[in-house]
Amino acid sequence: AQKVTQAQTEISVVEKEDVTLDCVYETRDTTYYLFWYKQPPSGELVFLIRRNSFDEQNEISGRYSWNFQKSTSSFNFTITASQVVDSAVYFCALSEAWETSGSRLTFGEGTQLTVNP
Amino acid sequence: DSGVTQTPKHLITATGQRVTLRCSPRSGDLSVYWYQQSLDQGLQFLIQYYNGEERAKGNILERFSAQQFPDLHSELNLSSLELGDSALYFCASSPRGGLAGDEQYFGPGTRLTVT
Repeated sequence: AQKVTQAQTEISVVEKEDVTLDCVYETRDTTYYLFWYKQPPSGELVFLIRRNSFDEQNEISGRYSWNFQKSTSSFNFTITASQVVDSAVYFCALSEAWETSGSRLTFGEGTQLTVNP
Repeated sequence: DSGVTQTPKHLITATGQRVTLRCSPRSGDLSVYWYQQSLDQGLQFLIQYYNGEERAKGNILERFSAQQFPDLHSELNLSSLELGDSALYFCASSPRGGLAGDEQYFGPGTRLTVT
């Protein structure tokens, strides 16, 4: 069965520090997709990124970067030069391709990131 | 703003009652998903519909049911409510076929409080 583990429950940093959020996943499927979502204090879930299991190329988007390593089943998320507005709960999620007619996201427990001024 | 709308934003009701949560997907999205977020269980997938048909089912209780209508909006019905049903209920929609790999766009959620 699929599983996503975010071992860091809470992280607190000072503004401008770099911070990495860890995500480890388990799946028996060879084709799968990994996602990161952000949940700010307002409560909505905001889609950040999707990677498929065949694309291990790291991705950078502004201050955000993602490191996908199949060898360690990890999909870590780094925020460079963090800002107060980055304070949120961040969720890593997994979707497996075995479901040929539909899909579901399996979420990790989330990491509460607090960026202090 | 994801383009997914959910009503109501908040709902307070008593144990044993029945409520209906409503969701309208983003324009053009045919697939709708329901998730429950609670403190003890985290974010859990409930059910997915695609163009009116059920496509995937998670750990949805028998007291809960959902449907997707011809205009693509969806409703989640929760009956015989218990205190443990208090949670934030999210609806999401996705483009394309609603298959694995499609990014899901979430609505603002409905916060249900059962007293």
